Order: sequence, then structure tokens, then C-alpha cells
Amino acid sequence: QSALTQPPSASGSPGQSVTISCTGTNSDVGAYNIVSWYQQHAGKAPKLMIYEVTKRPSGVPDRFSGSKSGTTASLTVSGLQAEDEADYYCCSRADNYNFIFGGGTKLTV
Amino acid sequence: EEQLVESGGGLVQPGGSLRLSCVGSGFTFSKDWMSWVRQAPGKGLEWVANIKQDGSGKYYVDSVKGRFTISRDNSKNSLFLQMNSLAAEDTALYFCARFGVVGGLDCWGQGTLVTVSS
Repeated sequence: QSALTQPPSASGSPGQSVTISCTGTNSDVGAYNIVSWYQQHAGKAPKLMIYEVTKRPSGVPDRFSGSKSGTTASLTVSGLQAEDEADYYCCSRADNYNFIFGGGTKLTV
Repeated sequence: EEQLVESGGGLVQPGGSLRLSCVGSGFTFSKDWMSWVRQAPGKGLEWVANIKQDGSGKYYVDSVKGRFTISRDNSKNSLFLQMNSLAAEDTALYFCARFGVVGGLDCWGQGTLVTVSS
């Protein structure tokens, strides 16, 4: 059960777009369309941003979008804003109802 | 307002035990899978365990199998994590969270800190 692979850091200027990748295997990301993304500001609980690869919970801006190709999922943040600066984690369902998180990506705006 | 509140964390010696609790409010607790997720100091998130709505299915990360037990009492809107044979690597902030959507944890508590040290 190794963590999904995310880049440790990503950055962009206000108004730009940035994409964060999340690479797994054929036992997790590649096997299930159950990938979620979480935003975590320092000292706070995580917040769900994307679920089932592409779906946004109510209240999440449409600047956040998700996609998947094979064993790699991606989170794209468009029109970057200062408040988007946070840690982002992907998570995938794996076999036997297990779940695996990525190592996290620190997004700097 | 949907809310989860954890309790039960603290300082425990290696080899010791601790029972975490989480109480839900503002939603129908018995409808959803529930989960425990932990975060070691300065580290990333790690999924620990899941439990089905009626408690009939329980699933664990390999590193805690045989040591941790997840359970729930729907009559009290409560989720539990019994942790035995604790080791230093179990030191973390433990979050209770709800699977309110498919595969997505849409409601989180603020966490309870577990420190394993002599």
C-alpha cells in the first residue's frame, strides 16, 4: 500500500492555471473511477474539492476540475487566487475497499 | 450544520492503548460509511480504516491490522477507534470523516492528537 505519487510542490501566479498530477497503479487509480482531491490549509481539516474523478461538491468553485487517464489523475486549478495556496492531496479507492492518499502537493500562488 | 467532533486523544506509552471517539450531528449518521484518517506531524494524510453504515464491513490499512478496531454506535451517532499495541509511528492527528458522496470524505472533524512516547 504505497502512497500515490504527487509532485511535492507546484506554483503559479494569480490568474494562471496549474495542474497537479497523481500517479498510482492498476490496483487503485487505474482500476476505479473513485479518485478524490482534498485541499488543506495550515492547521485546518482537509476539504473535499473533487470526487469520482470529475465531480465538484456544492460550494466548490468551478475553477477546480479533475480528470484521469490510465493510472494518473489530475487536478487543475484555473484562475489562481491567493486563497488557493494550500496543500492538496489526491486519494483513490484501492482493492478490498481500501483507500490510498497521495503524498501531497504544496501549491504556492 | 453538519459536524463531527473527535475526542480521546492524548499521551500514551509505547505498547499502550487508547480509544478515540467521534460524535456526528446535523446529518443522519447511520446513512453513511465512516472513516478514520491520520496525519503525522508535518506529514501527509494516511487513510486508517473504514466502516460500513451498519458496521458489517470494516477495512484497515495494513500497518494497523490486528492492532486497531473501528466500530460505531448509530443510536448515539458515534464512531470509535480502539487502538492497541501503540508505537511511536502511530503518533498523529486522527481525523474522523464521513463518506457523504461516493468515495469522497465530505465532512471532517478537527482531529484529536495521539502522541506515543515514553
